[in-house]
Amino acid sequence: EVPLLESGGSLVQPGGSLRLSCAASGFTFSTYAVSWVRQAPGKGLEWVSTISNSGGSTYYAASVQGRFTISRDNSKNTLYLQMDSLRAEDTAVYYCAKSIRSGGGYLDYWGQGTLVSVSS
Amino acid sequence: DIQMTQSPSTLSASLGDRVTITCRASQSISSWLAWYQQKPGKAPKLLIYKASSLESGVPSRFSGSGSGTEFTLTISSLQPDDFATYYCQHYNSYPYTFGQGTKLEIK
Repeated sequence: EVPLLESGGSLVQPGGSLRLSCAASGFTFSTYAVSWVRQAPGKGLEWVSTISNSGGSTYYAASVQGRFTISRDNSKNTLYLQMDSLRAEDTAVYYCAKSIRSGGGYLDYWGQGTLVSVSS
Repeated sequence: DIQMTQSPSTLSASLGDRVTITCRASQSISSWLAWYQQKPGKAPKLLIYKASSLESGVPSRFSGSGSGTEFTLTISSLQPDDFATYYCQHYNSYPYTFGQGTKLEIK
């Protein structure tokens, strides 16, 4: 198993900010790209963002570009997602997931998710 | 951006049935396609990568095929544990996108 444990989800008002964390263990974190994928209630999966193993390359979905920032601390084996200017449509379970290569690729291990609710 | 379209959206089938789910890409993605299974309240689980490679530990009744723009996931003989939602995802180039999902229900 490759534990990935998300945290930081909560209820936040529209326009607010939140930072999600994902603590990794059981593999050499600094070797692989990691991603955030979200799922709105009753909806399908939506890829949100990916960061390369070194953190030197980042990629975002158009729906979050300019509002969300992905980052990682390889010394702490932790992935982050800073979410600003939150909207109701950002309400979702956010999963972190490990890629199979340093730059991305398919997702072979997933965390259990953390719920973000955006509402007044 | 590459769009992924799955069909059908819902599939009703019986234990022991052979079922096929289709995923189409809006442009060629070579074989850079993965399939995931998700059960209610759980994280997705990788089944197939590179269109037809079976992930370790996944039962051999699951198989994938295709290349370019058209792909299929086949379950050869449905078992009770297979009733779930299935998603395809391309990883040809960013942004990676998922299909909208296919819910496999018991008939």
